[in-house]
Amino acid sequence: ETGVTQTPRHLVMGMTNKKSLKCEQHLGHNAMYWYKQSAKKPLELMFVYSLEERVENNSVPSRFSPECPNSSHLFLHLHTLQPEDSALYLCASSQGSSGGYEQYFGPGTRLTVT
Amino acid sequence: ILNVEQSPQSLHVQEGDSTNFTCSFPSSNFYALHWYRWETAKSPEALFVMTLNGDEKKKGRISATLNTKEGYSYLYIKGSQPEDSATYLCALPNAGKSTFGDGTTLTVKP
Repeated sequence: ETGVTQTPRHLVMGMTNKKSLKCEQHLGHNAMYWYKQSAKKPLELMFVYSLEERVENNSVPSRFSPECPNSSHLFLHLHTLQPEDSALYLCASSQGSSGGYEQYFGPGTRLTVT
Repeated sequence: ILNVEQSPQSLHVQEGDSTNFTCSFPSSNFYALHWYRWETAKSPEALFVMTLNGDEKKKGRISATLNTKEGYSYLYIKGSQPEDSATYLCALPNAGKSTFGDGTTLTVKP
């Protein structure tokens, strides 16, 4: 596979469930990102990892927990979510995290919290 | 919080028309500006990364300009085609953060 892949593509979970979103990039990039897009809102940056270290956490609630075990994989662990967390979650990667590099996005996971 | 504004919010044009839209941002602490195209049911796709005042970039029928002193970037599409229908996003990355605009949704009618 090439580019940035995300699994699952769709997820329905209850508020008491624990689930994880997975992202994998095959581009040899050093930075990876999680974004959230809620209905009628712009893309919101959640987390940035550079060389497997978290460099940015945009005041995201602790019920979202990222993990970057290596430069190719990024996870978002979810627990005790709220209905307002229903959104499209996008993963992206780039050559570096400085902002001078374009980001490559995955197809997203459509999350519904019931 | 960085304020990134895009206008218009939506645009409907006929095939063959040329069009342009705007991304406005605070001119202080500028680092870079990214343009993305996001087609329905697909991933956002990078179009341009612009860093220098006066930058002009071109990819086929799409081009972009940047004015960091006055805080705006224009995206131009020449001879719009139905396949250009998408939401066009601009984003300003800075110090690890990326702030996206709401996007301009372009619909090109055959």
